[in-house]
Amino acid sequence: RKEVEQDPGPFNVPEGATVAFNCTYSNSASQSFFWYRQDCRKEPKLLMSVYSSGNEDGRFTAQLNRASQYISLLIRDSKLSDSATYLCVVGSGGYQKVTFGIGTKLQVIP
Amino acid sequence: DAGVTQSPTHLIKTRGQHVTLRCSPISGHKSVSWYQQVLGQGPQFIFQYYEKEERGRGNFPDRFSARQFPNYSSELNVNALLLGDSALYLCASDIRENGANVLTFGAGSRLTVL
Repeated sequence: RKEVEQDPGPFNVPEGATVAFNCTYSNSASQSFFWYRQDCRKEPKLLMSVYSSGNEDGRFTAQLNRASQYISLLIRDSKLSDSATYLCVVGSGGYQKVTFGIGTKLQVIP
Repeated sequence: DAGVTQSPTHLIKTRGQHVTLRCSPISGHKSVSWYQQVLGQGPQFIFQYYEKEERGRGNFPDRFSARQFPNYSSELNVNALLLGDSALYLCASDIRENGANVLTFGAGSRLTVL
């Protein structure tokens, strides 16, 4: 089983739609969780950290379910500029080894 | 402020050759990590360095090596290149925020092995 699993997609959604991505992780001792965004042929950039209580940043909401070992990202009112690959990232261990998922590709269509 | 800088941005090598990739972290950041991203996959952890000491190593063969210099810049070396080493090599500045390692990546070095 992969350490971090994501559906690679692609998810094709119309502008204005709400879309949700899930990610599961295998290491129950994992301590830190993030979503990164990667545009085509660019480097990943931090979108948001994911906290136990859940957190929101504008149109983006992240949730963590430790019991079921999954993380979610909800994007409301999708914009064309949201088209990208969204990488689920999990940190564990003393030096917080970071493991990336394969990424979920989102295409927002007019 | 300069972010994470990497060089070269693109390079082409042939099988059996070696390559050296360079990275300068964000000014003042003491930790650097290296990742390999093959097309269609997420980044895979290769090395982490902190104040010139190796803090972690991913599941890569001994052909991959790295070091960090007193000014915190870093080099990644890959010997005896294989076709499968073709990838985007990403360097990241690590910073601890709220007990977690937050990564800021450079633009990467895109290596093609022919």
